[in-house]
Amino acid sequence: GEDVEQSLFLSVREGDSSVINCTYTDSSSTYLYWYKQEPGAGLQLLTYIFSNMDMKQDQRLTVLLNKKDKHLSLRIADTQTGDSAIYFCAVTSGGYNKLIFGAGTRLAVHP
Amino acid sequence: GAVVSQHPSRVICKSGTSVKIECRSLDFQATTMFWYRQFPKQSLMLMATSNEGSKATYEQGVEKDKFLINHASLTLSTLTVTSAHPEDSSFYICSAGRVPEQFFGPGTRLTVL
Repeated sequence: GEDVEQSLFLSVREGDSSVINCTYTDSSSTYLYWYKQEPGAGLQLLTYIFSNMDMKQDQRLTVLLNKKDKHLSLRIADTQTGDSAIYFCAVTSGGYNKLIFGAGTRLAVHP
Repeated sequence: GAVVSQHPSRVICKSGTSVKIECRSLDFQATTMFWYRQFPKQSLMLMATSNEGSKATYEQGVEKDKFLINHASLTLSTLTVTSAHPEDSSFYICSAGRVPEQFFGPGTRLTVL
């Protein structure tokens, strides 16, 4: 079945850039997403990218998509302590609205 | 973005009882809503797709008689955990929207004693 993989943990210094990586197996995924989850909370949609795009930038967030390698990344510029959270990569599955999630990357930002 | 609410946010119940969780789309209509389950420090697993006016579609391995889903209107879907047991304790999250945007509710933490 479909699979989405992420590294589990990333630690960065405040002010540096963070890059969170994700790989997926379903080449037919039309939309690819990044969600943020803070402790005890639901998921916040950060950004998404359509599969025919290579890059999308939204303020401090940059999403890169390498469709050939099925690799998605999220870059957060000037990372702040408020960015500490779990970041989930998700892709659409089978042409439907349902999403398949990665395990999540816990981002820790230290002074 | 659009707002999806869930109620209750937290529930504790005794083993053997049933618990109903509501998911509402507050400012848009949703013919389709999704129910996910998240165990501590793990990812979200899709349980079922809730379809307004028709039966829900369950993912493989999810017991439809245990997790009853009713999509009564274009703004409300409910998940009922029947005869709950401690292993059903989890974080349940719903989502609604139309591709490309899927918005998630704040989640319901269920604890079964």
